[in-house]
Amino acid sequence: QVQLQESGPGLVKSSGTLSLTCAVSGGSISSSHWWNWVRQPPGKGLEWIGEISPSGTTNYNPSLKSRVTISIDTSKNHFSLRLTSVTAADTAIYFCARTATSWYYYFNYWGQGTLVTVSS
Amino acid sequence: EIVLTQSPGTLSLSPGERATLSCRASQSVSSNYLAWYQQKPGQAPRLLIYGASSRATGIPDRFSGSGSGTDFTLTINRLEPEDFAVYYCHQYGSSLRTFGQGTKVEIK
Repeated sequence: QVQLQESGPGLVKSSGTLSLTCAVSGGSISSSHWWNWVRQPPGKGLEWIGEISPSGTTNYNPSLKSRVTISIDTSKNHFSLRLTSVTAADTAIYFCARTATSWYYYFNYWGQGTLVTVSS
Repeated sequence: EIVLTQSPGTLSLSPGERATLSCRASQSVSSNYLAWYQQKPGQAPRLLIYGASSRATGIPDRFSGSGSGTDFTLTINRLEPEDFAVYYCHQYGSSLRTFGQGTKVEIK
């Protein structure tokens, strides 16, 4: 059974950089899936941030593209999110998720989510 | 960007009733690559339906999806107490994946 677990600071200062890691267990991150980040502001809906393939190909939401970097470390079986110049609008629960396959991009596995608060 | 509009925003129903949730896309969803998720408070979303009408593993058959092009529907027959939650549609046919804003199914 594949499991995903987010980790990282729960509090980031405004204008700083948000950094999160998603550890994958029960399966290889080098398998035929894409690895995603999705966020959810408290009490609001879901927003897709971006994705990365096992080979390192990335695809980002244009609304965040200038500030986002997603990377992958196959040796550690994890992938990471970096979001720069954060503001209060970036306060959200951040989820990592895995696509069903490398060509069906719906999410069949999710992490439990981690709340990141941007403070002034 | 494909904008997904879900309606209604909130659905108030009693256990045993049928829920009909709508998801309308601003343009045609490629290959009907439309999924539905259920989310309960404090939990991650859970995949229910993919490809507009295929049930995910372990999902009860009271959940069904239908539709094509720009209009999609999630139907929940005979609501169980554990079905009261927020439901999101998600299109994954374009390189910019998008979600609807959600429909809350609450107990009447």
